[in-house]
Amino acid sequence: GNSVTQMEGPVTLSEEAFLTINCTYTATGYPSLFWYVQYPGEGLQLLLKATKADDKGSNKGFEATYRKETTSFHLEKGSVQVSDSAVYFCALVSEGGSEKLVFGKGTKLTVNP
Amino acid sequence: ETGVTQTPRHLVMGMTNKKSLKCEQHLGHNAMYWYKQSAKKPLELMFVYSLEERVENNSVPSRFSPECPNSSHLFLHLHTLQPEDSALYLCASSRIDRGLEGYTFGSGTRLTVV
Repeated sequence: GNSVTQMEGPVTLSEEAFLTINCTYTATGYPSLFWYVQYPGEGLQLLLKATKADDKGSNKGFEATYRKETTSFHLEKGSVQVSDSAVYFCALVSEGGSEKLVFGKGTKLTVNP
Repeated sequence: ETGVTQTPRHLVMGMTNKKSLKCEQHLGHNAMYWYKQSAKKPLELMFVYSLEERVENNSVPSRFSPECPNSSHLFLHLHTLQPEDSALYLCASSRIDRGLEGYTFGSGTRLTVV
């Protein structure tokens, strides 16, 4: 079945540091890939997505590129802010989008001033 | 505001109480979901409703009873809960024919069972 593996957290960075959160997946065909963010006390919000190989999703300074050859969708940001402190979830939906989302376990990011 | 509204935001209930969580969306979505999020555990999908019909029940104890009266509303009825049921309960919705758009989540209900 489909699955998503994220790097173990927590991740602690200083403001303006470079961020990478690794995500790899197992799925048949060409799934669509997502990153969700959960700020403290809130639900999950869609951060970015990519629906085909080599697509780059981007939003709020975050980027992730759909790499079919390495089955990866790593999240990156060049300069993090304190306000980026949150839990980040990688997720996929199977090709065609007819099945439910499969989530990774989440990675908690803390950014210190 | 995401378009998915959950009430109440916080709930404290005793083990013998009966309460209900409510979820409402007016996004034109036709699938709705209940998730449980406990500290230091992965997101757990509890129930899935598609076109108002329950299509998935992931071995959830019967003390949790979902109800989907129409495509805009979803309830989770709670009775005789245990302290380990304390968690954040998240509702989400989506369009079945637009799975590539992902899900829209509410802000959750923080449940504490005492």
